[in-house]
Amino acid sequence: QVQLQESGPGLVMPSETLSLTCIVSGGSISSYYWTWIRQTPEKGLEWIGYIHSSGSTKYNPSLMSRVTISLDTSKNQFSLSLSSVTAADTAVYYCARVSTIVAVDYWGQGTLVTVSS
Amino acid sequence: QSVLTQPASVSGSPGQSITISCTGTSSDVGGYNHVSWYQQHPGKAPKLMIYGVSNRPSGVSNRFSGSKSGNTASLTISGLQAEDEADYYCSSYASSNTRIFGTGTKVTVL
Repeated sequence: QVQLQESGPGLVMPSETLSLTCIVSGGSISSYYWTWIRQTPEKGLEWIGYIHSSGSTKYNPSLMSRVTISLDTSKNQFSLSLSSVTAADTAVYYCARVSTIVAVDYWGQGTLVTVSS
Repeated sequence: QSVLTQPASVSGSPGQSITISCTGTSSDVGGYNHVSWYQQHPGKAPKLMIYGVSNRPSGVSNRFSGSKSGNTASLTISGLQAEDEADYYCSSYASSNTRIFGTGTKVTVL
């Protein structure tokens, strides 16, 4: 059973960089797309972007200028970096796997990140 | 990148059937057969209920079914049960290898 676990600071200062890591257990990070999704009460679920195990990435155009997703296959984990954050980036952030059926089949439990001074 | 449009809320009595719509464009829902549906209970991560428009993952009740016509996808829950009360989100693959979510629908079991 694949499991994903997000980790990172729960509070980030405005204008700084939000950094989260997702550790994947119970399966290899190879041969799949790995994605970050966030959720707010106002906007619901929002796709941030994904990375393939080959290293190729794709980002939400609305966030592209501020987002970087990276992969560490040796540690079976992937990471999210979102720069120049504002209060609008306050959300529950989920890491997840996109399966070969082009759907998100495994999700982390989610982690709340608050942007505030 | 816009979002897919869903009704804010849908309700039904136990045993009834309800349908949730998900409207997009020819660049997402209408252009690909990669529509998925997710169920989310309060405080929990979303759970995959339907993929590829109409396929159910192993373990998902056959009371859940999906379909698509043109730019609109639909999720039908038949034999509504109290445990089905949750938020439901659709999602679609979109042009340029991106992904888009719906606005979400709150299902209430009366």
